[in-house]
Amino acid sequence: ETGVTQTPRHLVMGMTNKKSLKCEQHLGHNAMYWYKQSAKKPLELMFVYNFKEQTENNSVPSRFSPECPNSSHLFLHLHTLQPEDSALYLCASSLTGTAMNTEAFFGQGTRLTVV
Amino acid sequence: GEDVEQSLFLSVREGDSSVINCTYTDSSSTYLYWYKQEPGAGLQLLTYIFSNMDMKQDQRLTVLLNKKDKHLSLRIADTQTGDSAIYFCAELGGFQKLVFGTGTRLLVSP
Repeated sequence: ETGVTQTPRHLVMGMTNKKSLKCEQHLGHNAMYWYKQSAKKPLELMFVYNFKEQTENNSVPSRFSPECPNSSHLFLHLHTLQPEDSALYLCASSLTGTAMNTEAFFGQGTRLTVV
Repeated sequence: GEDVEQSLFLSVREGDSSVINCTYTDSSSTYLYWYKQEPGAGLQLLTYIFSNMDMKQDQRLTVLLNKKDKHLSLRIADTQTGDSAIYFCAELGGFQKLVFGTGTRLLVSP
């Protein structure tokens, strides 16, 4: 257990569906991240939130919509996805704003399949 | 831009040493990391090295950093079957932006 929990672990959705991925951490971290992990490709950073404010959007299509209501919770809202969006979506959190090593703690991921 | 490269696959026998290599491009990276991902799990930090160091040892793990060549390696001594996993190299570039490599799948055979 890393202290970062993602739900659901697996999700199958049609291209016309709307679903949401959830991530929560109670580590006292102030930064949260969404990463996409596809086969044989580097982990892709999608979004970064610091103190609930989005500080990075890595040219992610608008069919992915993040939401960070507080420093402990992060959502990824999905709508009209494509089959190529099928991947493992990983959430991570870290403590930022210090000169110390900023270890990122990862959740177990949501395995998304778009049919 | 940042780019981190790793070979995709490494196979070793139990008891041998494993060496996983990584090259990165951002010379301003302050920290470099090795993460391990076991099947069905998220990434877990194994070890890290600060950019002003060239070596770090932690039990069976040895990290070597060649800053001039932007080359990072992870050596696992006495590799065990439980070490079979995907190992990701990552650099901390920009503002809290972790850039990962593709991961190296390590297979340890008995």
